[in-house]
Amino acid sequence: IVVTQSPLSLPVTPGEPASISCRSSRSLLHSNGYNYLGWYLQKPGQSPQLLIYMTSNRASGVPDRFSGSGSGTDFTLKISRVEAEDVGIYYCMQALETPHTFGQGTKLEIK
Amino acid sequence: QVQLQQSGPKLVQPSQTLSLTCAISGDTVFSNSAAWNWIRLSPSRGLEWLGRTWYKSKWFNQYAESVKSRISINPDTSENQFSLQLNSVTPEDTAVYYCARWTEFPRQAFDVWGQGTMVTVSS
Repeated sequence: IVVTQSPLSLPVTPGEPASISCRSSRSLLHSNGYNYLGWYLQKPGQSPQLLIYMTSNRASGVPDRFSGSGSGTDFTLKISRVEAEDVGIYYCMQALETPHTFGQGTKLEIK
Repeated sequence: QVQLQQSGPKLVQPSQTLSLTCAISGDTVFSNSAAWNWIRLSPSRGLEWLGRTWYKSKWFNQYAESVKSRISINPDTSENQFSLQLNSVTPEDTAVYYCARWTEFPRQAFDVWGQGTMVTVSS
């Protein structure tokens, strides 16, 4: 399954919203009704960390300004109001089958 | 909380074997709801899942096709850790290597990551 993100670069003014799109080459909708798509953030100098699992569930400790949505092959990560600590590279990943595949990454920077 | 601590050499010579270890604390390598993975990040290939090991009454392994002929991921039950061996390395294997825990449904995600090891393949 090929996963494609856009944009690859995202400059954002603090306090403004941001949105990242993720598309998969095949539907990520499982027969159980869940869409198997996750989002990860790699902050500068750190390992990737889980942000969102199963399309829309925030991982422990993730602020509620982060939200995920979508179904089938089209998914979106939204940040309602970007803060300086949100800089880094955002990756979507299909969790439906192995090999689990990641998007190319979207680099969010502060204007 | 669960932590993964990686160790291993940062420089490997071409044609040699890359070996890394990931020590688990706060969980067990025998977990019935987790799998233990290796993932790498390079400028040319991005984030690439390499393989995993997991226990469900017996040990299982699964590897990415791109490295299947050269890779081995093994549990070390006495030390509660798991390892990566990648044989016959080339400069294309230069990358940051991460170990990561995969948690099954309802999470279905890599929810804990090691600190990463930058491995350079060079003579």
